[in-house]
Amino acid sequence: SQQGEEDPQALSIQEGENATMNCSYKTSINNLQWYRQNSGRGLVHLILIRSNEREKHSGRLRVTLDTSKKSSSLLITASRAADTASYFCATANTDKLIFGTGTRLQVFP
Amino acid sequence: DTEVTQTPKHLVMGMTNKKSLKCEQHMGHRAMYWYKQKAKKPPELMFVYSYEKLSINESVPSRFSPECPNSSLLNLHLHALQPEDSALYLCASSYRGGDYNEQFFGPGTRLTVL
Repeated sequence: SQQGEEDPQALSIQEGENATMNCSYKTSINNLQWYRQNSGRGLVHLILIRSNEREKHSGRLRVTLDTSKKSSSLLITASRAADTASYFCATANTDKLIFGTGTRLQVFP
Repeated sequence: DTEVTQTPKHLVMGMTNKKSLKCEQHMGHRAMYWYKQKAKKPPELMFVYSYEKLSINESVPSRFSPECPNSSLLNLHLHALQPEDSALYLCASSYRGGDYNEQFFGPGTRLTVL
């Protein structure tokens, strides 16, 4: 029942660089959410974008949504070592979230 | 209080044991969730409780038995588990059921079945 596919699977960058992660999904959605997970810990909600929105910002995060292509992207600007984590998109359709495969981001100091 | 707590943090059990995982939130959320997560994989939904009633069971084997004693508590009773059930079990809550709201996750219980 896995809905979203994310790419890249893994991304390594230097502090200060930008990181972009992409998510593709298969069915219609009401909203799409992005979560962060530090190693072996719980997930933290980052941002939610509704199906009638195209772009949303929150601090250093920028999310876009293209419902015609069934895709979304998450941009983290000016990355920091503390951004090292796994990032998951999650699509909301009926009454549950379906998580994508995730992108593992490593930010080197 | 904006956190979801889970106990225990780690659990090791044999295949004949009975144990329970506990989850608690005091944010007034009326939807609570259990997820299972294997290493380097996304969380997979197991159960959803909405207003203290089981609303979704994702065809989870009966050796996993959820319980929602009240709107703040969620338990997952474990019995006769298999080694492949070893995983991180995550609890989450949201303001209400439905797909419109962010979910708040607990830190998880790392379960090892021997």
